[in-house]
Amino acid sequence: ILNVEQSPQSLHVQEGDSTNFTCSFPSSNFYALHWYRWETAKSPEALFVMTLNGDEKKKGRISATLNTKEGYSYLYIKGSQPEDSATYLCAFNQFYFGTGTSLTVIP
Amino acid sequence: ETGVTQTPRHLVMGMTNKKSLKCEQHLGHNAMYWYKQSAKKPLELMFVYSLEERVENNSVPSRFSPECPNSSHLFLHLHTLQPEDSALYLCASSQVTGTNYGYTFGSGTRLTVV
Repeated sequence: ILNVEQSPQSLHVQEGDSTNFTCSFPSSNFYALHWYRWETAKSPEALFVMTLNGDEKKKGRISATLNTKEGYSYLYIKGSQPEDSATYLCAFNQFYFGTGTSLTVIP
Repeated sequence: ETGVTQTPRHLVMGMTNKKSLKCEQHLGHNAMYWYKQSAKKPLELMFVYSLEERVENNSVPSRFSPECPNSSHLFLHLHTLQPEDSALYLCASSQVTGTNYGYTFGSGTRLTVV
């Protein structure tokens, strides 16, 4: 059984705060790490695909880093807005998902 | 609308019923997937189809039967389900199977087995 862990499980931040959360995954047999955003009542939406150790990706105020040697990825949100409220999922090697971090941004 | 359409959105069925979930994509993707999400658990891969061939069957009970008649359509046939099969069933597609390709997901079918 592959262990993909995300922490924290949930997070409440004030509008304007910056925040980050973690995805931990096996450090062996790594091919790719995917991040998705899943808003309530919508479909999960792809954010990033990361494949190389040291990769950094950015999309607007959201960015992600990857450390394949130690098996973790961080997702950062700068200046959180209420519309960032969602569950953020990571997936190891496309198929294996964590349970997600639920982010609530309080106006 | 993401490009992947799932019907129905909600389904309530008895344990002796037979029903089917439908997934449709017109994105030109060649791979399609069924995932199950139970409460407090991660998305769990059920089936993978690539170019209409099943390439992954993740130890799913035979009461779940997938069908992929062409690269745009995917079905999940359900029969004699158990209450513990109540969950959100998500369909996804990707350009091909391969770890570099992210999914486009449908909105899911919320299944309740009574």
